[in-house]
Amino acid sequence: AQKITQTQPGMFVQEKEAVTLDCTYDTSDPSYGLFWYKQPSSGEMIFLIYQGSYDQQNATEGRYSLNFQKARKSANLVISASQLGDSAMYFCAMRELNTGFQKLVFGTGTRLLVSP
Amino acid sequence: GAGVSQSPSNKVTEKGKDVELRCDPISGHTALYWYRQSLGQGLEFLIYFQGNSAPDKSGLPSDRFSAERTGGSVSTLTIQRTQQEDSAVYLCASTLQALPGDHNYGYTFGSGTRLTVV
Repeated sequence: AQKITQTQPGMFVQEKEAVTLDCTYDTSDPSYGLFWYKQPSSGEMIFLIYQGSYDQQNATEGRYSLNFQKARKSANLVISASQLGDSAMYFCAMRELNTGFQKLVFGTGTRLLVSP
Repeated sequence: GAGVSQSPSNKVTEKGKDVELRCDPISGHTALYWYRQSLGQGLEFLIYFQGNSAPDKSGLPSDRFSAERTGGSVSTLTIQRTQQEDSAVYLCASTLQALPGDHNYGYTFGSGTRLTVV
């Protein structure tokens, strides 16, 4: 069964510094997708970045990059040059493409606090 | 519509009462998902619709929970005889398609319904 693990309940970072949010996953499906979402206090889920299991390069989207280490089954999110507006909950999620394609399975999340 | 719309945004109900939560997905999105998020927790999958059928109901926590979707559009999640442990934010998401082999079809989430059972 697919599983996502986020071991950091909370992270602190100073403005303008980089921060890495950890995510490990488990699946027996060789074809899968990994997602990161941001959830600010308003509650909306904001899509940040996607990595496919067969993608050769790590995904990047502006200040967000995904450190994808397939052999270790990790998909850490790196936020460069943190901003105060980055303070939020961050969720890692996975979708299996051949078996559980119907749903995203989420980790428990990491709360990021950016200080001035 | 432009986004996924959920109503009501907030619902307070007495224990034992039934509630209906509504999700209006993005026009043309054939796949629709319901999730539940308890306070401080991650998102828990409840049910998935492809068109009007629900091939995956595995996440519904008990037979008090049911959902339907009509016309391949609006979905209603019904909770009967609500209990205090049902208090949570119920999120709906829709996507354009959900077929094996699809890659980054984007999920669009609604703002959720915050349910409080007193």
